[in-house]
Amino acid sequence: GNSVTQMEGPVTLSEEAFLTINCTYTATGYPSLFWYVQYPGEGLQLLLKATKADDKGSNKGFEATYRKETTSFHLEKGSVQVSDSAVYFCALRITDSWGKFQFGAGTQVVVTP
Amino acid sequence: NAGVTQTPKFQVLKTGQSMTLQCAQDMNHNSMYWYRQDPGMGLRLIYYSASEGTTDKGEVPNGYNVSRLNKREFSLRLESAAPSQTSVYFCASSEAAGQPQHFGDGTRLSIL
Repeated sequence: GNSVTQMEGPVTLSEEAFLTINCTYTATGYPSLFWYVQYPGEGLQLLLKATKADDKGSNKGFEATYRKETTSFHLEKGSVQVSDSAVYFCALRITDSWGKFQFGAGTQVVVTP
Repeated sequence: NAGVTQTPKFQVLKTGQSMTLQCAQDMNHNSMYWYRQDPGMGLRLIYYSASEGTTDKGEVPNGYNVSRLNKREFSLRLESAAPSQTSVYFCASSEAAGQPQHFGDGTRLSIL
């Protein structure tokens, strides 16, 4: 079946530290991959996406590369800020259906000053 | 610049009560979705509407019904609330099925 596995949180970092959130997937076909971010009290917002192997999505200093060989889509940011504290969700769009999204469980990131 | 609007934001119900969660989008999107978010489980799809006039079950539809009232509005109804339905409910919309989804701010529902 289709699934998304993310590293468990919370991930606690100091400001300006390097952030990596691991995400691996299983899927039939060639899914598109996404990272969403959820700030406290808000809904999810699309952060970045990649639609095919070796594509790199980037936004707001975050990057993720679609690695077909390792079925991964790890999220990275070189220097986090307190304002990056949020829950991050990895997701895939299932290609063998009408386009349903499968979300991971989410990883909470806490950045301290 | 409203996007996806959900009402109410918070609600407490007693077991057995009924409730309708409202969702409206102003982006002229064709597809709309209802998810529930529970700790450690991410988002699970309850129902979706690929286009106006159609609705289909998602991953966890039991205990819920939906109505796509028009292109803008997609409501979720709990006919007889149960404690297991305590969750945060999110409505989302997308331009078409499979496109990135835009989310509302959620409804936090507690059932006692």
